[in-house]
Amino acid sequence: QSALTQPASVSGSPGQSITISCTGTSSDVGVYNYVSWYQHHPGKAPKLMISDVSNRPSGVSNRFSGSKSGNTASLTISGLQAEDEADYYCSSYTSSSTVVFGGGTKLTVL
Amino acid sequence: QVQLVESGGGVVLPGRSLRLSCAASGFTFSSYAMHWVRQAPGKGLEWVAVISYDGSNKYYADSVKGRFTISRDNSKNTLYLQMNSLRPEDTAVYYCARGKGLMTAHLWGQGTLVTVSS
Repeated sequence: QSALTQPASVSGSPGQSITISCTGTSSDVGVYNYVSWYQHHPGKAPKLMISDVSNRPSGVSNRFSGSKSGNTASLTISGLQAEDEADYYCSSYTSSSTVVFGGGTKLTVL
Repeated sequence: QVQLVESGGGVVLPGRSLRLSCAASGFTFSSYAMHWVRQAPGKGLEWVAVISYDGSNKYYADSVKGRFTISRDNSKNTLYLQMNSLRPEDTAVYYCARGKGLMTAHLWGQGTLVTVSS
């Protein structure tokens, strides 16, 4: 399975909004609503921020939102804060009954 | 609270085997699918395998199929990953994660480092 495509890096200033894209195919993102987004601070356990395209688990700030159009999913973070600086990964269920991750996006808060 | 603690990592020679364990607590282990995900040094996350709540269904990434085996012992609240024919490219931090079904890795452990090197 090929990894989903994410931009290597994005950046924004505190208070701004940023969007990270995640492009897959008609065998994963395009056909299933099982797209997830994870926040990963190096050395810590990854944290699920969004599941099922747009659902926020309990305890996740409503500044995080997800959406999907065709083969591309997106994570939007509004009101950027310093603590949002981390690596972000998308994942999707696939038609092979497996899971595939994106290559990851490093978010820098300027 | 949910706790997942991985163990069994270490340094191993290429071609050898290693078994990782993941001890679960704070939830009904036998009700959840479980995943293994890894991260090689300086690389991104890579999904490895998933097992259904009762162990009846198992799925693997192509990169480990035929070499790795995922299993669980619901009586011991423990998840396993048997890794055979290890290669240098298997060097990574291995995380176990409680599943939100087979499709999503929800709650993660802190990981255990596996280094395959001669």
